Amino acid sequence: NAGVTQTPKFRVLKTGQSMTLLCAQDMNHEYMYWYRQDPGMGLRLIHYSVGEGTTAKGEVPDGYNVSRLKKQNFLLGLESAAPSQTSVYFCASSSISSGDEQFFGPGTRLTVL
Amino acid sequence: AQRVTQPEKLLSVFKGAPVELKCNYSYSGSPELFWYVQYSRQRLQLLLRHISRESIKGFTADLNKGETSFHLKKPFAQEEDSAMYYCALSGGSYIPTFGRGTSLIVHP
Repeated sequence: NAGVTQTPKFRVLKTGQSMTLLCAQDMNHEYMYWYRQDPGMGLRLIHYSVGEGTTAKGEVPDGYNVSRLKKQNFLLGLESAAPSQTSVYFCASSSISSGDEQFFGPGTRLTVL
Repeated sequence: AQRVTQPEKLLSVFKGAPVELKCNYSYSGSPELFWYVQYSRQRLQLLLRHISRESIKGFTADLNKGETSFHLKKPFAQEEDSAMYYCALSGGSYIPTFGRGTSLIVHP
């Protein structure tokens, strides 16, 4: 099993550009999450999903949108990137059977110029 | 509301010294607590969880409900323990709360 994968690994954007980050998991997990990791701020939850077709806002949702059309995929979109969105983005998944343990992807390092 | 506090951003020790990474939480129900570790430029991974009561890589953590703490301890630090450590709380809603993390540096 690949676990949780993220694409791309790195990306540089100009202010105002858009992009989509893809997260995929092959563990049949119900729950999926997007976090951003910034120095001194730790992990902050952007959006999450408790099942296919459902999404909800986390702690820092502004400037981001998400979709979960398939159970195994969770997409994070930036419609108009801003320098404040320069960060490392982590996707994670969990399930009832994993007992709340989160399984993380390798991260996407995004720089917005 | 649930909250996790890791008061130290950085903890610096020498090899062989004891280590204690502090974690305090605020939650009205019965919490599930976790420690995750992130080695340099790697993904976060679970280190241990309070319900398993295991010792992983020499680390232990005891849930103290009276002090609402879940401190991570290791009696003798190793250089390979250098990493970022996150304490996390789950209140059963599958929406975890993470602390801001503590960077542990173990000097040779």
